[in-house]
Amino acid sequence: ETGVTQSPTHLIKTRGQQVTLRCSSQSGHNTVSWYQQALGQGPQFIFQYYREEENGRGNFPPRFSGLQFPNYSSELNVNALELDDSALYLCASSLDGRATGELFFGEGSRLTVL
Amino acid sequence: KNEVEQSPQNLTAQEGEFITINCSYSVGISALHWLQQHPGGGIVSLFMLSSGKKKHGRLIATINIQEKHSSLHITASHPRDSAVYICAVSKGRDQFYFGTGTSLTVIP
Repeated sequence: ETGVTQSPTHLIKTRGQQVTLRCSSQSGHNTVSWYQQALGQGPQFIFQYYREEENGRGNFPPRFSGLQFPNYSSELNVNALELDDSALYLCASSLDGRATGELFFGEGSRLTVL
Repeated sequence: KNEVEQSPQNLTAQEGEFITINCSYSVGISALHWLQQHPGGGIVSLFMLSSGKKKHGRLIATINIQEKHSSLHITASHPRDSAVYICAVSKGRDQFYFGTGTSLTVIP
């Protein structure tokens, strides 16, 4: 039990639609990061938020966007869905954004794009 | 080329065997993480290392910063250890690189 919850656990969308995934971090963890994990691959870093500001981004296009709220929850939004967006999306929280901070992962949201 | 390479990709062991999973990385890092992912997706952080060695129960993780290499050892392996083990490195506050994972199956 990591104290990080994600919703929904599974969802199916069609190409061109938009999706919002949600993550509730541990209380007091003001850093959240999001990852995309395609089947059989390791996670890929999408972006990180620290105190409601994006402070790092991986190699993902602008249609991947996020928000972080003061209540330790956050969202990942993906617009104009493509088939290749089908993946497990993981969020992880950590304390104060230190690079050496331990990561606490949620169970993930599995997105299928048809 | 991936910044983080793991070996082996797949590993099958008999219960009780000593297991080693290796991780090599090519970037300067702030910390290295060993993660365990069970079927269904949930990831649990096992270790976070920036130097030396850490032990937790039957798990031992070591890191050699000069050689840019880390190992995860499991002593007296058990079927419940069956999972995917992922090595990840953090570089600064905003860069994370993950290996593709080692799929471990421990047979009773």
